[in-house]
This record gives sequence, structure tokens and C-alpha cells, in this order.
Amino acid sequence: GENVEQHPSTLSVQEGDSAVIKCTYSDSASNYFPWYKQELGKGPQLIIDIRSNVGEKKDQRIAVTLNKTAKHFSLHITETQPEDSAVYFCAASMILSGSARQLTFGSGTQLTVLP
Amino acid sequence: EAGVAQSPRYKIIEKRQSVAFWCNPISGHATLYWYQQILGQGPKLLIQFQNNGVVDDSQLPKDRFSAERLKGVDSTLKIQPAKLEDSAVYLCASSSRQNTGELFFGEGSRLTVL
Repeated sequence: GENVEQHPSTLSVQEGDSAVIKCTYSDSASNYFPWYKQELGKGPQLIIDIRSNVGEKKDQRIAVTLNKTAKHFSLHITETQPEDSAVYFCAASMILSGSARQLTFGSGTQLTVLP
Repeated sequence: EAGVAQSPRYKIIEKRQSVAFWCNPISGHATLYWYQQILGQGPKLLIQFQNNGVVDDSQLPKDRFSAERLKGVDSTLKIQPAKLEDSAVYLCASSSRQNTGELFFGEGSRLTVL
């Protein structure tokens, strides 16, 4: 099955600085790569995603890049704010039977933005 | 639009006891997932339903865990008998018929096994 590795496990940045989280995946059948943000006591929430036919996607202060050859993808957050503090999970997804998708998560990165 | 509902939010039991968690997905969502999230780790898929059929249960410990999705809507996850290592948050998620890829998660049910 799919295996997703995520680094770093913890990341502290000063407010206004950038944060980068990196992931690798193992199965070339994966073709959809979402990023989820999980705040304390809540379920994960999708913040951005990228499909395998795209190399980069940006949404305001958040961007994702994908290198299919190397099986790497990354999350970039610019101009970080205290409300960005949370646990971030990368994931890799592939189609199973029919239209059902299988989603495998990384181990998470605790991001702390220091005021 | 109402989100994914889960109950109970918290449960404390002794080892070898049983527990059940309930999930009501977003209306119209065909796919329902149960994930186990151990403290400090990413969510791990236990079982995935498409309507009321099982798509993937390869990581479900079938000797103690069971799940059902009656009529393709609500779902129940049961653990019997519970072990200490089952202490975790059990997350339910659903995704749409169009299967855009986004999963919508509930707030989870936190289980503590003593």
C-alpha cells in the first residue's frame, strides 16, 4: 500500500516568516495530494490540494508544489500568522475500485507561529 | 449545510469492555470513512464504505473491530473487547458522489481505555 513520509514533525517560526513542510510518497498510482489542517479538538480540514497533472498551485498565502518524478510534494505558507498554528497533514490519494478513493496521511507537522 | 456528526465525543472504558461510535455523514455523501488517530500520529484508515458496501477494510482489526453502514447513510464502529492500545480519536469522514477528493471530517470521538 501507499506510504507517506512527512517532515519536520515540529516547526516553529516567527510571525511573518515562511514555513515549509515536505512529504514523499511511495506509490506512483497516487494522483491527488491534499493538505489538511487540524486544530486542537477538531477534525482535519482541507486547506489546499494538487492533482498530478499540475506542478504548482497557490491560494493566497498558501502554495503547494509537486514533483512526480521524485515523488515529493511540499506546502509553503508565507507571511505566517498566529492563527496558522496547528497540526498540518499531507496525504496521497489514489483511485480504488470504481470511483472510490483511498487516502493515506503523513504523520503530521506541529506548526507554531511565535508572535 | 450540516457537517459530519459524531457521538459520543468522549468515552472512557476499562480494557475488555465494549464501545460503539456513531457517525452521520453529510447528506448525499456516498463514501464514508472511519479513521483511527493515535496521539501524535496521522489518521489511519480503518474502513471505507461506498454507499453501504465495504470498499477497503484491510487495516481493520477484525477480531475486535466491526463497522456497519445501514441503508448507506449512518454508520457505527464497534470495538469489543477493547485493549489499552485502542486509546485514540476515532474520526469519521465523508466525501461526495462526485468524489472530488475532499474529505469532510467530524470532530471525532476520543476513546480512553484504562
